[in-house]
Amino acid sequence: SQQGEEDPQALSIQEGENATMNCSYKTSINNLQWYRQNSGRGLVHLILIRSNEREKHSGRLRVTLDTSKKSSSLLITASRAADTASYFCATDDAYNTDKLIFGTGTRLQVFP
Amino acid sequence: GAGVSQSPSNKVTEKGKDVELRCDPISGHTALYWYRQSLGQGLEFLIYFQGNSAPDKSGLPSDRFSAERTGGSVSTLTIQRTQQEDSAVYLCASSLRLAGGPYQETQYFGPGTRLLVL
Repeated sequence: SQQGEEDPQALSIQEGENATMNCSYKTSINNLQWYRQNSGRGLVHLILIRSNEREKHSGRLRVTLDTSKKSSSLLITASRAADTASYFCATDDAYNTDKLIFGTGTRLQVFP
Repeated sequence: GAGVSQSPSNKVTEKGKDVELRCDPISGHTALYWYRQSLGQGLEFLIYFQGNSAPDKSGLPSDRFSAERTGGSVSTLTIQRTQQEDSAVYLCASSLRLAGGPYQETQYFGPGTRLLVL
């Protein structure tokens, strides 16, 4: 099963609205990362949050991490049509840091 | 600087043929990863190279899949006797992760190779 699972699987909003995506994971982690993927091609790193951090901001992105609930959320504020993409969370495993385990992704559609 | 590049961008092959997919990581990146992504799905880890160490092949789905990394740089993923279920996008990523590092670093992805097996 996936280490990270995002919900919702799909999200449709209007430009200017905020989009919130959630990620849950199973094991203890060192960090959690969010990536974006356009049109089924390469992923682009958005933000990394370490296990001792609770919140992190980058431009219009806000990520929270709750290690007690093994969950994270990605908030995109004032969304734009160009934000349309799939968003994935990825975690390492605190006991096996050699690889990232990716979630199933949230497909975000922002309508102009 | 140059990012991760992959070739070919697209590959159409017949069932039973062998294919080779190439990945050129970012210069200086010691870690290299291969993933597979089926349509509408998440990323499935295939194999991980770290420097000159033996690769972690734990994600390879069958013995038809193999990969090598020459000179600690370019990597080739080979799929022998391709099957229709091998159709997917194959993504390569590299990172600055050091051997034995305490945590994962940011991974930088190539554009992927879209493989279609007829």
